[in-house]
Order: sequence, then C-alpha cells, then structure tokens
Amino acid sequence: DVKVTQSSRYLVKRTGEKVFLECVQDMDHENMFWYRQDPGLGLRLIYFSYDVKMKEKGDIPEGYSVSREKKERFSLILESASTNQTSMYLCASSYPIRTGRPEQYFGPGTRLTVT
Amino acid sequence: GQSLEQPSEVTAVEGAIVQINCTYQTSGFYGLSWYQQHDGGAPTFLSYNALDGLEETGRFSSFLSRSDSYGYLLLQELQMKDSASYFCAVGSGYSTLTFGKGTMLLVSP
Repeated sequence: DVKVTQSSRYLVKRTGEKVFLECVQDMDHENMFWYRQDPGLGLRLIYFSYDVKMKEKGDIPEGYSVSREKKERFSLILESASTNQTSMYLCASSYPIRTGRPEQYFGPGTRLTVT
Repeated sequence: GQSLEQPSEVTAVEGAIVQINCTYQTSGFYGLSWYQQHDGGAPTFLSYNALDGLEETGRFSSFLSRSDSYGYLLLQELQMKDSASYFCAVGSGYSTLTFGKGTMLLVSP
C-alpha cells in the first residue's frame, strides 16, 4: 500500500513564525503536491514537484515556498505565517500522468492554526 | 485556466442510486477523476476517465463526455458509509489536478 505521511496532524503557530510542513512518501513517486483545503473552496494547489530539486507554482503559491532535496520528501514552508494561512494542508504524490496511473495518494493532512 | 462545477450537496436514502454531475472548462484536458473524502479523512481516489464512456468499479461508475465537457459519478446501492464529500478533478499535462469544490453526499436510513 502507498503510504504518504505528514509530520503533524495539528499545529498551532503564531503570526510571523516560520512554519515547516513535511511530507514523505514511500512509493518512489516522481510527483509530489501540496494543497490547502478550506470549507467551500475544495482543494487548491499550492506547489508541486515533478522531480528532485524541481518545483512549480500551483494556483495559490503566494506566501509559501517548497523544498524537495530527496525524492521521497517534499516540504512546504510558510516564511512568515499569517492568520489567513490557517487551513488544512494536504500532501499528495503520484506517478507521471504519462504512465496511465493518474491517481494521487494523499497524506492525512495537517490542520494548521495561526494565531 | 480550469474551472469545475458540481452540486454542493446531494441527499439520498440507503439502497438508492445517486448521480453527482460535474461540468468543466479547461484549456488542456488529461482526464476526469473522482475522489472521495470522509469527514476528517484524506481524499481517496475512486475512478478515472480519459476517454468517453462509462467506467465501472463495483457499486461506483463514472462517465465522461469530452464533447460536452461533462462527467458524472454514479453510486448504486447506497450505504450509510457512502456519506462523504466527492470531488471531481481534471488533469493537466504536468500531472496536476484541478479540483471542483466538492459535493457532500448525505445518505439517510
């Protein structure tokens, strides 16, 4: 079974703090993704990576950065947390779509509260 | 850009059949996927349609019409455990997905 793990289920941070969210997958997937999920807005893509050290902006990258130094690990960084970044953060991984295996596998999520 | 429309909520009773529709507008199309998410859980993959037609997986089926930019998820023999949110998503060439806002399915006894 594919396993995607995230470093924390719940996190509370103060405004202005630097926040690191980590994600690890064990399926040797090339692609990794970070989403945020807010009520009524669905899942919105923040950043994705299709290879080590490669990253691409998603739909809402402002206020975030990412790092992928190893294939299995993809980190989301909030440089200076703000209250509007309070959300559920979901990590996912997948094979490239050209493989015909389009499914993304999600981690359990990190519920981040910024006060 | 890409946008998807799906109903926000659908209700049904146990044993019934329910259809959740999804219409999309996209600049590039690499298939329509469906995901299920139980309250407090992670989204899990249900089905994928790259070509027109019906795909069946047990009690769940998914349909795609690329000419109409339309698809649906059909759930048969509804069970209480099917109460969840269902998201349609369209794929892009970068293997990314754009998700709809989700449909909350409430199954009552």
